[in-house]
Amino acid sequence: DAGVTQSPTHLIKTRGQQVTLRCSPKSGHDTVSWYQQALGQGPQFIFQYYEEEERQRGNFPDRFSGHQFPNYSSELNVNALLLGDSALYLCASSFVGQSYAAFFGQGTRLTVV
Amino acid sequence: SQQGEEDPQALSIQEGENATMNCSYKTSINNLQWYRQNSGRGLVHLILIRSNEREKHSGRLRVTLDTSKKSSSLLITASRAADTASYFCATDYRETSGSRLTFGEGTQLTVNP
Repeated sequence: DAGVTQSPTHLIKTRGQQVTLRCSPKSGHDTVSWYQQALGQGPQFIFQYYEEEERQRGNFPDRFSGHQFPNYSSELNVNALLLGDSALYLCASSFVGQSYAAFFGQGTRLTVV
Repeated sequence: SQQGEEDPQALSIQEGENATMNCSYKTSINNLQWYRQNSGRGLVHLILIRSNEREKHSGRLRVTLDTSKKSSSLLITASRAADTASYFCATDYRETSGSRLTFGEGTQLTVNP
């Protein structure tokens, strides 16, 4: 079992560009959540996908969007990048109906210059 | 905004000593979870305690939950240098369309050999 996998591991982008981050959930999981973690802070919830639909959304602007595919994998897209978007982006998977203990990937470190 | 607050922000102890971290939260929850993070990478789920439980053990970990005070504590007994990491509490409150984890700011634990 590969667990939750995220790609790429590191990414450097320029202000104003767009970025796509990818996540494959743990085998058997059907729900994917995305979190942003700024340096020295706790992760903040961006949104959650289940059955290819956004179920919940945190306090993030519309520049942040996502998608879930039929195989449960997910993408996080960020448009018009700002310097403040520099952070570790974490993907977590879980199985709806269970204890909601989430399994996290190793994250994508995004640096906006 | 972060719901949870952890204290202390940083804790430095010697190997073999016990480490206690505290977490407070603001709203009603379904469960509270503790996670560990090494060097800004992925989060590892440690333990989950449900709102109707008061104490839970897992190996060298002991978690307590006081819903009347909206607080939790994580005790790591007989600490090891390998326990050096950041520890986060996360609360899960379930909305009609699913659940999300709300993290605290974390406690940076350093265990000196």
